[in-house]
Amino acid sequence: KAGVTQTPRYLIKTRGQQVTLSCSPISGHRSVSWYQQTPGQGLQFLFEYFSETQRNKGNFPGRFSGRQFSNSRSEMNVSTLELGDSALYLCASSSLTLNTGELFFGEGSRLTVL
Amino acid sequence: AQKVTQAQTEISVVEKEDVTLDCVYETRDTTYYLFWYKQPPSGELVFLIRRNSFDEQNEISGRYSWNFQKSTSSFNFTITASQVVDSAVYFCALRPEGDKIIFGKGTRLHILP
Repeated sequence: KAGVTQTPRYLIKTRGQQVTLSCSPISGHRSVSWYQQTPGQGLQFLFEYFSETQRNKGNFPGRFSGRQFSNSRSEMNVSTLELGDSALYLCASSSLTLNTGELFFGEGSRLTVL
Repeated sequence: AQKVTQAQTEISVVEKEDVTLDCVYETRDTTYYLFWYKQPPSGELVFLIRRNSFDEQNEISGRYSWNFQKSTSSFNFTITASQVVDSAVYFCALRPEGDKIIFGKGTRLHILP
């Protein structure tokens, strides 16, 4: 079956702009989570959704937001972009809540902020 | 505080050598889950193993083995007879029950032919 699909794969924005990233989970998976990966901070948890409800949130400013739709697809939005937001944004899906389920990751969306 | 430490930032070994990747975690929760993920150059993280805090049995899967020791809060990963395809960044992660997942900074493994 198809894996986790993230779009777009690459994008370039300028400071102050906003961006929306999309994630389509594996069919049947109801849990979606987002992560930011940077060379300095490593892999950091952003948020987790299960059946359209946010279950957990990482330590990121309110400029970072997300949502999940009834078909389990998810989007994350970053407003008022800063240079430090340049990163690889990874989405993962799971058939269970993340407490016990293994995560299936997408290839990521690489965001560059100029 | 919840924390995962992978002290080895980068390791290089020659093909066919054995290599162990260290992972030390901190948590006050009694129920938690530990994971290892592999991130090859393509960027997509791949799940390798999950362990819950009540299962200290070591596990072997082919050339891969994991040693979980609650007494030292460690969850180490050993690759036996390494191969070039094992070159990747490996992440150890901790998920306290009901809480967010925390990843270590990763260990970049180079297997030299």
